[in-house]
Amino acid sequence: NAGVTQTPKFQVLKTGQSMTLQCAQDMNHNSMYWYRQDPGMGLRLIYYSASEGTTDKGEVPNGYNVSRLNKREFSLRLESAAPSQTSVYFCASSEPPGPTNEKLFFGSGTQLSVL
Amino acid sequence: AQKITQTQPGMFVQEKEAVTLDCTYDTSDQSYGLFWYKQPSSGEMIFLIYQGSYDEQNATEGRYSLNFQKARKSANLVISASQLGDSAMYFCAMREGRDNTGKLIFGQGTTLQVKP
Repeated sequence: NAGVTQTPKFQVLKTGQSMTLQCAQDMNHNSMYWYRQDPGMGLRLIYYSASEGTTDKGEVPNGYNVSRLNKREFSLRLESAAPSQTSVYFCASSEPPGPTNEKLFFGSGTQLSVL
Repeated sequence: AQKITQTQPGMFVQEKEAVTLDCTYDTSDQSYGLFWYKQPSSGEMIFLIYQGSYDEQNATEGRYSLNFQKARKSANLVISASQLGDSAMYFCAMREGRDNTGKLIFGQGTTLQVKP
């Protein structure tokens, strides 16, 4: 019962380095999301993908790119990491809109430090 | 303007007592959803409860209930019979519009500490 799986769990980068955060869900959800959480704050949406083949910017997209590789996988890429991107990154997926309950399923997070 | 406001940075409650965590929201949409998530010290985000804007009854999930006052734009979380394991950060969040499931706006959170 994996749910949403993120890798890696921890990463330290130097300024200017690049990296890709991987995310996969096994719940057959259409929609997937990347959020970041800065210390003492709530989560903010970076990018989302409403369905396979589509991606859209969220509240804080600058410095990031995403790829919806297939229905299961949604990756987040930092092309040239900056200290301001030090944060905890969460991937999430959601059930289709329904008449009653809605729920966003989160991965366990990636703690990224950019020195 | 803040879309989600949580005015209590930190709260204490005695074990077995009830506690209310405040949340007010701001939206001009008629259709929206309100969520509460728990984040323990381990860091994962745990879904607690959901309230749709058209739901007339307050949502309940076990010891959690959402006190939804639409006219006042408030969506307070009530935890009954607090347990030590309830110590965590709690986030209120809102989904605006009907088709934006998963695009949530989060508040800054309230840290709850349960005292034995």
